[in-house]
Amino acid sequence: GQQVMQIPQYQHVQEGEDFTTYCNSSTTLSNIQWYKQRPGGHPVFLIQLVKSGEVKKQKRLTFQFGEAKKNSSLHITATQTTDVGTYFCAASRMRFGAGTRLTVKP
Amino acid sequence: DTGVSQDPRHKITKRGQNVTFRCDPISEHNRLYWYRQTLGQGPEFLTYFQNEAQLEKSRLLSDRFSAERPKGSFSTLEIQRTEQGDSAMYLCASSPDRVRTGELFFGEGSRLTVL
Repeated sequence: GQQVMQIPQYQHVQEGEDFTTYCNSSTTLSNIQWYKQRPGGHPVFLIQLVKSGEVKKQKRLTFQFGEAKKNSSLHITATQTTDVGTYFCAASRMRFGAGTRLTVKP
Repeated sequence: DTGVSQDPRHKITKRGQNVTFRCDPISEHNRLYWYRQTLGQGPEFLTYFQNEAQLEKSRLLSDRFSAERPKGSFSTLEIQRTEQGDSAMYLCASSPDRVRTGELFFGEGSRLTVL
């Protein structure tokens, strides 16, 4: 079936460094959601993007939806240890990417 | 404020046995989803209910899997004749019917281990 590809699979950063994860689809998406899952936890909703070229910010997190609505990114500025976890994108709630696991070294 | 509740949290069973998981969504959430998640992977969609109607079911789901939501409130997911490959975390999520934000509220999950 149609897949949502997410890269990188893993990212290890020093605290204070930036982090970006990318989500790509071969088909146009009507919307995309981002979730964070802490180790041992369940996915927690971060945001939904709907419009072409949309950019939304939540404190140190910046979310973008591509002009063609086929890709999206999540950027974290100046990571903190509390950012540790796996970040997933999801298309229409039914197709989740494999996630990017972020570890942060203090 | 109660979130999505799942029971049991952990289940260990022998291959060939049947297992059933229960999900209680947030009150008044019409939509209910089941997902399966294995280590290092994202949630894999299994099925979706709007009220008591099962509107979508993954084609990847074998006939050994069945889900119900008889009164439009709680839901059950049954796996018959379990196989070792069924070992996974089974996640339930719910949302209101009209949700502008797109948010899904996930439960803590039911972890299944098939020996």
